Amino acid sequence: EVQLVESGGGLVQPGGSLKLSCAASGFTFSSYEMNWVRQAPGKGLEWVSCISTGGDTVYYADSVKGRFTISRDNAQNSLGLQMNSLKDEDTAIYYCARGSAWSAWGQGALVTVSS
Amino acid sequence: QTVVTQEPSLTVSPGGTVTLTCASSTGAVTSDYYPNWFQQKPGQAPRTLIYSTDNKHSWTPARFSGSLLGGKAALTLSGVQPEDEAEYYCLLYYGGARVFGGGTKLTVL
Repeated sequence: EVQLVESGGGLVQPGGSLKLSCAASGFTFSSYEMNWVRQAPGKGLEWVSCISTGGDTVYYADSVKGRFTISRDNAQNSLGLQMNSLKDEDTAIYYCARGSAWSAWGQGALVTVSS
Repeated sequence: QTVVTQEPSLTVSPGGTVTLTCASSTGAVTSDYYPNWFQQKPGQAPRTLIYSTDNKHSWTPARFSGSLLGGKAALTLSGVQPEDEAEYYCLLYYGGARVFGGGTKLTVL
């Protein structure tokens, strides 16, 4: 069974850092590009970042560029999102999603940025 | 700043047909934008219905179809069921970047 499980969410102060992880199982992780998508409370979906199969190509939304870093460890079947200089507006549920066909989603991890 | 625009809300009767659209501020949407469509119900993660314009996943009900219509991406629901009441989002590709539309709240009434 294909599974994506996010972890690492929590409460952090503005200006702080947090790293999210997405553990993949049930498929050949290294064969899929991966995405992070977030959803602020009561708002719509916002694409955050994506990474190629080998990790050599990454893209970011303008709203997070320079503050967030996407990474992957194909040996550990894991996707990461390092979030620095966090702002109130980064408060959201963060989802990882598989591939260009968006064929699997995790259940999300809640990140709350608040003093 | 690229903007992807969807109808904020639509209402359809059970058994009816409805078309949701997805427009780009950059001009006509083509297959090069790889339109995707997602369904989200309250408290749940999104579920992908359509990818790359008109491709369905194994779990996508046959009543959902994707297309290009009048310079926009479109999602058509034929024979709407009560369980189709949800928020629907489109996603377009702009080279490496992806942009979601603001979502359409579909009410089945």
